[in-house]
Amino acid sequence: GQNIDQPTEMTATEGAIVQINCTYQTSGFNGLFWYQQHAGEAPTFLSYNVLDGLEEKGRFSSFLSRSKGYSYLLLKELQMKDSASYLCAVFNAGNNRKLIWGLGTSLAVNP
Amino acid sequence: GAVVSQHPSRVICKSGTSVKIECRSLDFQATTMFWYRQFPKQSLMLMATSNEGSKATYEQGVEKDKFLINHASLTLSTLTVTSAHPEDSSFYICSARDGAPNEKLFFGSGTQLSVL
Repeated sequence: GQNIDQPTEMTATEGAIVQINCTYQTSGFNGLFWYQQHAGEAPTFLSYNVLDGLEEKGRFSSFLSRSKGYSYLLLKELQMKDSASYLCAVFNAGNNRKLIWGLGTSLAVNP
Repeated sequence: GAVVSQHPSRVICKSGTSVKIECRSLDFQATTMFWYRQFPKQSLMLMATSNEGSKATYEQGVEKDKFLINHASLTLSTLTVTSAHPEDSSFYICSARDGAPNEKLFFGSGTQLSVL
């Protein structure tokens, strides 16, 4: 079957670092995406990993281990505006090119 | 990045009426668009894949006669919710790929449908 797991909720403090984990079990794998979604808005693209390792992009970094079926999104220097839902999605080219979505992690950043 | 325009952003309608939502790719051609539905505090649920010039492919459990999809051109796909009922109230989002090899999806801004 296809399964993506992420924590439901996380809380962190402004200025801190938070790591959001995502584990997946899919029949195929051609890349993993992280999207950010604020309440009432559509998702916006954050990162894409297809090879093992860490991809850094400003305050956000994403890591992938294909052998472990594991990824994490690392947010540094947290700001209040980072309070949002973070969605992990796996792309499987053999699955009619559809994304498989996790349920999302709701992050609350407190002052 | 590529831009996907979706409107209306918010619709309030009476039960039994039909509502059309438009999704346009503004600076690229999209042979395939995806329609999602999202209930509060839940993840995205793929409803259907819209293919330019052919019939849409619906996910299991989605009624094709209730959610009509038309993809008449490379830049426009429409979703019509026919005979809407309160249980159809949801956030509807369209998305498209711009053809880049990383398969990144670009999302429209979403339509919040409220059926009274």
